[in-house]
Amino acid sequence: EPEVTQTPSHQVTQMGQEVILRCVPISNHLYFYWYRQILGQKVEFLVSFYNNEISEKSEIFDDQFSVERPDGSNFTLKIRSTKLEDSAMYFCASRHNRGTNYGYTFGSGTRLTVV
Amino acid sequence: AQTVTQSQPEMSVQEAETVTLSCTYDTSENNYYLFWYKQPPSRQMILVIRQEAYKQQNATENRFSVNFQKAAKSFSLKISDSQLGDTAMYFCAFFLFGNEKLTFGTGTRLTIIP
Repeated sequence: EPEVTQTPSHQVTQMGQEVILRCVPISNHLYFYWYRQILGQKVEFLVSFYNNEISEKSEIFDDQFSVERPDGSNFTLKIRSTKLEDSAMYFCASRHNRGTNYGYTFGSGTRLTVV
Repeated sequence: AQTVTQSQPEMSVQEAETVTLSCTYDTSENNYYLFWYKQPPSRQMILVIRQEAYKQQNATENRFSVNFQKAAKSFSLKISDSQLGDTAMYFCAFFLFGNEKLTFGTGTRLTIIP
């Protein structure tokens, strides 16, 4: 079964450093997302991406965050200057938009630890 | 804005028993999907079951079934013949057509006791 692949699975970074989280969505999917889950809390929407541009973003997704689809397969989330409160699990997801099967598939996540 | 409420932070049940997890949601829209996701200790998000709001028939996937009450805005998950591998956090989630994001509830931590 097709998968959404995220790398790395765990990243530790110093506060103030830039990090890039990488995702390879399912190849025939058209919509891409990033979600965040702070430990012990619920999963929160960050941003959606369609047709090479952001289609919606949450209030969490401020100027420190950016997304990019640099080639036909990768989808990245960049945090420019990490803060302690950015420590969380980050999930990439993708879905297609064909018929009524809104298949929404999550990757296995990247655990980001900011120290 | 849509909201999703899971009123049971934790539940536990004996192996092989049946358990029902509750979820209610609030929306004024008519065209949406509802999901249950499972998050085991590995923290991966795994889709358990999906329900289209326009379908009256409740979705079923093997031991997992839902009780979808559209008028009451209720979407409970029933797990029959529970297994140790069902131990996980379970999240209810709402998806509105035309709005890109999934809105999650706060989750229910389910423990299956041997």
